[in-house]
Order: sequence, then structure tokens, then C-alpha cells
Amino acid sequence: EAGVAQSPRYKIIEKRQSVAFWCNPISGHATLYWYQQILGQGPKLLIQFQNNGVVDDSQLPKDRFSAERLKGVDSTLKIQPAKLEDSAVYLCASSLRTGSSETQYFGPGTRLLVL
Amino acid sequence: QKEVEQDPGPLSVPEGAIVSLNCTYSNSAFQYFMWYRQYSRKGPELLMYTYSSGNKEDGRFTAQVDKSSKYISLFIRDSQPSDSATYLCAIQGRNSGYALNFGKGTSLLVTP
Repeated sequence: EAGVAQSPRYKIIEKRQSVAFWCNPISGHATLYWYQQILGQGPKLLIQFQNNGVVDDSQLPKDRFSAERLKGVDSTLKIQPAKLEDSAVYLCASSLRTGSSETQYFGPGTRLLVL
Repeated sequence: QKEVEQDPGPLSVPEGAIVSLNCTYSNSAFQYFMWYRQYSRKGPELLMYTYSSGNKEDGRFTAQVDKSSKYISLFIRDSQPSDSATYLCAIQGRNSGYALNFGKGTSLLVTP
């Protein structure tokens, strides 16, 4: 079974530029998450999708971050304009809920450096 | 107060040692407890998953949960250099839509 795919793996931009990340979840997984992992920290949830609907975006800085999941499969996360503090690894995870349990599978992440 | 507290280390042990990693959490509403392992420049991978107090064993790994103390632990027996990674504890609950709340992660180095 193929895992969660993310691209690009690395991105370097200057502050105030825009950037977009792409995620392809495991086939059949209805739930998709974007997490931000700053160096030395654990991942922090940005947004959660169930199919193509948003479940939780309470921690997404909506003045600069946006995300969409068209057709309930692939997802893109965009930052516009980027700030220095956005330098982090952006992780995508997908999950399949069975009964009362859920296991999330993570992609390799996109490492963003904002200069 | 953060939802999950975890000592970031780093922790360095000799090969063959028993490793103990710990986290505390503040919200008793969380029902599920996980340990993820993250190698450098990789995404987290699930090691252990449990939802009840007590111990769960999988090979050299044992996850322990004490809900009354809000304390979770991961023990690694006969540690190997390949166990060198960052270990992240995470908690999950139905009320939070199953999103994961992670600790900071503990960096472990097992030396030959």
C-alpha cells in the first residue's frame, strides 16, 4: 500500500513570497490533516478535513494560510505572504476511522525555509 | 498549560540499555494514547497505540498508561543504535475530532 505523498520535499523562499504544498493521502482515507512542526517541537494541527469538508481550522492563521481538498482526495496548503516564523516542516497525515479508533499515517513532510 | 508535556532530552544511552520515555497530559477527556517515532528528515511513524490504563507490549517496546495520574510511558528494552530517533507522545480524543496533540518529542541516541 502506497503511503502519504507530499511535494515538494524542500522549499526556500523569501519573506512575503507565496508558497504551496501538495498532499496525496492513502487511497480510501477520508480524513486528512495538515500539521506544522517547528524545529524542536511536536507537530501542531493546522487543519482537518473529512472528505472535502473542513472539520477544524481553529489553529490555521487564516490571514495568510489557506487549504483546500477538492474532490475529497488531494489537498493543497498555501501560505501568502510568508513570514520568517513560518519556517517549519509541514506534515500531511491521513486516516481511516474504524469504529471508535483512528490511526494517522504521516507523509515525509515539506521542509520550508523562509529567508 | 500545554495539553501534553514531554521532556525533550536529549537522552543518550549505551546499546542494550533499557530506555524510559515519559509524558504527562492535562485533559482527562482524551481517550487514546500513542507513541510515534520520527527519524531525522522523515515523518512520524506510529509505534504504539493504546486506550486503556495498563501495559501494552510489542516486541522490545512497552507502552504504559496511568489515567489516574495522567501519565504515559514508553519503555524500550535492549536498545539498539537503530532506535536513535525522536520519540513523540500523542493523545487523541473523540471530542477533538481525533486530531493528535503531541508532546515536544524526546531525542534519543543509542551508542554502540
